[in-house]
Amino acid sequence: GEDVEQSLFLSVREGDSSVINCTYTDSSSTYLYWYKQEPGAGLQLLTYIFSNMDMKQDQRLTVLLNKKDKHLSLRIADTQTGDSAIYFCAETLSSGGYQKVTFGTGTKLQVIP
Amino acid sequence: NAGVMQNPRHLVRRRGQEARLRCSPMKGHSHVYWYRQLPEEGLKFMVYLQKENIIDESGMPKERFSAEFPKEGPSILRIQQVVRGDSAAYFCASSPGVRQPNTEAFFGQGTRLTVV
Repeated sequence: GEDVEQSLFLSVREGDSSVINCTYTDSSSTYLYWYKQEPGAGLQLLTYIFSNMDMKQDQRLTVLLNKKDKHLSLRIADTQTGDSAIYFCAETLSSGGYQKVTFGTGTKLQVIP
Repeated sequence: NAGVMQNPRHLVRRRGQEARLRCSPMKGHSHVYWYRQLPEEGLKFMVYLQKENIIDESGMPKERFSAEFPKEGPSILRIQQVVRGDSAAYFCASSPGVRQPNTEAFFGQGTRLTVV
């Protein structure tokens, strides 16, 4: 299957850490991504992790991957008001010689000043 | 190197008209994806194209929707006889292809279609 699930909404206070979770069902995923979408804008690639990695850190962002449970998380340290957006996780599946990206429904992050 | 360019950014059509959405991929990218985002929902895959080929159209509605990516020019998503339910943001993404080790898709800003 190709279902990618996320909780719909997360609210945090400025300066706290945010953790956005995602579960996927296809264990053959090669890459897993986090995208950010600000209101009225397109999608911006934040970070990605290859399926043979457990963790990736990039400045304030930490991605954790639990392949056994098919669980992906994005942690944003010291969350700022500018981090308010919708965050999509996505998986890439290799199928028939091409890559197909499947997205979750998105988690809306609200940062309270 | 300009990013993925979509036009128009906003498109208003009356019910029954045709909508044409254009997408120019990043330079050097030969693969294009189209996604639809309904209000308050995530992105749904529609179609995946290479130059002159449709690779996967499993997400395309069976009627009224078509897509092409000609040898020259942008990729076009065409919606005939639009209905109110077609109102959505349509995003195009491009990638270099399957041989590169990291084929993350780069997205355009989207075309927001409103059917009145």
